Amino acid sequence: DIQMTQSPSSLSASVGDRVTITCRASQIISTYFNWYQQKPGKAPNLLIYAAFNLRSGVPSRFSGGGSGTEFTLTISSLQPEDFATYYCQQSYDTPRTFGQGTKVEIK
Amino acid sequence: QVQLQESGPGLAKPSQTLSLTCTVSGGSINSDDYCWTWIRQPAKGGLEWIGRICTSGSTIYNPSLESRVTISVDTSKNQFSLKVNSVTAADTALYYCAREGNFYGSGSYYNPLDNWGQGTLVTVSS
Repeated sequence: DIQMTQSPSSLSASVGDRVTITCRASQIISTYFNWYQQKPGKAPNLLIYAAFNLRSGVPSRFSGGGSGTEFTLTISSLQPEDFATYYCQQSYDTPRTFGQGTKVEIK
Repeated sequence: QVQLQESGPGLAKPSQTLSLTCTVSGGSINSDDYCWTWIRQPAKGGLEWIGRICTSGSTIYNPSLESRVTISVDTSKNQFSLKVNSVTAADTALYYCAREGNFYGSGSYYNPLDNWGQGTLVTVSS
């Protein structure tokens, strides 16, 4: 299985801060890579696919980057509705695997 | 916009079979080249991919669960289902159904999970 390792596992930030989350794959996955946001009591929601493509309707303050084994999710100016848990996922091979999640909390 | 809804018993006894159904609305489960997926999330967090069935009829399971899992589809009801045999407390989780979409970009097709059900909690307990 391809292992996905996210860092940090949690972070505290203030509204307006720039936040970056990193995800590393245990092998090269090109750009077969996705980011999801999960709020309490809700299902995960797709934010970014193919490493850097913003899903329609997702605010432009979210951006993704990377390829190969190293990927990032950046929120340029954190908004109150962005406090959530973020998961990375590889869609290069089966079984699909997820990172352990990064919880973004209010400072 | 496709919508997915899980249903099934919220309680299963140890050693018995967990059975869940996902009803797809707003589109045919048999249209285009999609794969329909089950994912679970234990209370401690994290997401585990259980397996999927594609419109071609092919199934792939997580090797960690493969010996106990079956995913099937009923196109007449626009539903797909999950069965997990010989459950234990470790199978207690929030179970989600989801669709693997098809997104084209940079010369390739990409398959993120673009539509999810709201999830259903299954507790394994005697």
